[in-house]
Amino acid sequence: EADIYQTPRYLVIGTGKKITLECSQTMGHDKMYWYQQDPGMELHLIHYSYGVNSTEKGDLSSESTVSRIRTEHFPLTLESARPSHTSQYLCASSGVSGRAGEQYFGPGTRLTVT
Amino acid sequence: RKEVEQDPGPFNVPEGATVAFNCTYSNSASQSFFWYRQDCRKEPKLLMSVYSSGNEDGRFTAQLNRASQYISLLIRDSKLSDSATYLCVVSHTGTASKLTFGTGTRLQVTL
Repeated sequence: EADIYQTPRYLVIGTGKKITLECSQTMGHDKMYWYQQDPGMELHLIHYSYGVNSTEKGDLSSESTVSRIRTEHFPLTLESARPSHTSQYLCASSGVSGRAGEQYFGPGTRLTVT
Repeated sequence: RKEVEQDPGPFNVPEGATVAFNCTYSNSASQSFFWYRQDCRKEPKLLMSVYSSGNEDGRFTAQLNRASQYISLLIRDSKLSDSATYLCVVSHTGTASKLTFGTGTRLQVTL
């Protein structure tokens, strides 16, 4: 089993609140990713990091921001949540271990903004 | 047009049946290809890579046709536990670590 964790698993929050979704992995992976997935839809990459102090925006524009101060930690922050941010957010990591193309996913955070 | 296209299904098949899914990709720079599996309300997990020569992993066979830009997954002797959504995934030259996911094909195996 992959050792990648996300908290909270479920979050219901009001419009305008600041939120941080936590993601941690204990596999020493250098690469980490955040995806957004709506029900029945494909995963969209919103942020990725190839190492400490390296972050890039993904293919889907997002109002969220990320930081990578430690290898194992890749939090995602929304400064002011809106109903359009309601979605599932999946964190993943990959490294030299594991099969080529393998990204290990956390269980996800289901965010609902009211 | 989506970069990775899949028939969303659902494919409803009886136990023991053989079922095949296809996927097409539009970016000719796509370099690596994978099938991931995603159970309902769970995270995706890598099922298998797809090699040009075709490859097999137990009851699962993956094929790649670069000329036509499509990928296939064949499941033989379907089990109830195979019920899931199968995601076609590609990565591009120079961005080997970034994956592009298809919407997925849902499979429901019944008794």
